[in-house]
This record gives sequence, C-alpha cells and structure tokens, in this order.
Amino acid sequence: AQSVTQLDSQVPVFEEAPVELRCNYSSSVSVYLFWYVQYPNQGLQLLLKYLSGSTLVKGINGFEAEFNKSQTSFHLRKPSVHISDTAEYFCAVTGFDGNQFYFGTGTSLTVIP
Amino acid sequence: GAGVSQSPSNKVTEKGKDVELRCDPISGHTALYWYRQSLGQGLEFLIYFQGNSAPDKSGLPSDRFSAERTGGSVSTLTIQRTQQEDSAVYLCASSFLKGQGAYEQYFGPGTRLTVT
Repeated sequence: AQSVTQLDSQVPVFEEAPVELRCNYSSSVSVYLFWYVQYPNQGLQLLLKYLSGSTLVKGINGFEAEFNKSQTSFHLRKPSVHISDTAEYFCAVTGFDGNQFYFGTGTSLTVIP
Repeated sequence: GAGVSQSPSNKVTEKGKDVELRCDPISGHTALYWYRQSLGQGLEFLIYFQGNSAPDKSGLPSDRFSAERTGGSVSTLTIQRTQQEDSAVYLCASSFLKGQGAYEQYFGPGTRLTVT
C-alpha cells in the first residue's frame, strides 16, 4: 500500500517570496506522483505530475517539483509566489496499476500581500 | 469542452435518510473515482470503476455506502441511513484508461453533503 504525508498543514508566505511545499510518500512499488491545486470554492485541478524521465517536473503557473527516489519525496516549489497562488495543495501517489490514488491531507498556502 | 459534473452541488438531509449523489464523467473517460473530502482530512478514496471491470470498493467506509456506474458513464453514489459523520464534500473524478494519457484525473466541483 502507499501513503502520502504532507507535513505542513498551513504555509503563510509573503508575495514574491519563494515557497516549498513538502510531500513524502511511502510505497513498496514504483509510483507515479502528482500535485493538485484547489482554489477557493473550486474543484481540484492538476498542477503537475511525474510519470518517468527527468526528475524535475514543471507544471502550470510557474510551479515545479522534484522527484527524489532515495528520499521518497516530491516537494513542490515556486521561486516567487503571487496572491493568486493562495489555495489548497494536495500531493498524490498511485502505483503503476493506477487503481487507487492516495492523497495527502493538503497544505493550505496563503500568500500575504 | 464539458468537464466532470456532479449533482446536486449541495444537499442537506436529515439523519437516517438515504441520499443519492450523481457524477457525469468526461465523455470517453473509462475510469471513474469517488472521494470524500472532510475538513482537515484530505481526500479519502471511496470507490473506483475501470471500464467493464469489477469496481474496487475497498475504500467504502461501511455497507451503508454503495455506488454503481450505468452504461460505463454516469455514476451514482448512494448513502443509506445517513449519519452526521457522513457530512463532507463528495468528489468525483474521471480519467482515460491506463496507457492513454491515464492517471491524470479530472475532478468535478463536488457535492457538499450536510447531515443534520
């Protein structure tokens, strides 16, 4: 079975500052990894995903994440945040069969003007 | 194009009543997932449909919960004898089959269920 841990439930950051949202997973098999974003009063949308290839993955809105197999991590980063990045961010993992997705409990990012 | 739609958007029901939540996936998506999102709990997997295969029901929390998918498209999640702890946002997502750009799930806006 897989599981996902997002250690930071809330992350406040000033506008234009860098941010890192942490995600660690546990799995006995190879996995695919995802970050989803949920803006206030909206549904979840895919931010980026790692399936294979380069361990540095770029997504929408200037976000990127790096897959680190040895540390079983997939941290999300953005060099300079905007007010509009205020949202809930979810990390998710699935095995190669793609049958079940395991989501973390989410990190609430608040960008402070 | 049309995304995943869910109805109703909000549902308030009395404890003990049955409720049905509906999900219309994106046309052509053969995989469909139901999740429950409770405050501070993240997303909890409930059930997964993949094509014509038997659904993966391993996430359903009790036998009061059931789901079906008719004609490989629309899905209904039914909660019988609702309890206050069932109050949550129920999310539906769909995706293509594995190997066809799969694994990317498209989420609906959710149904907010409140049990009084």
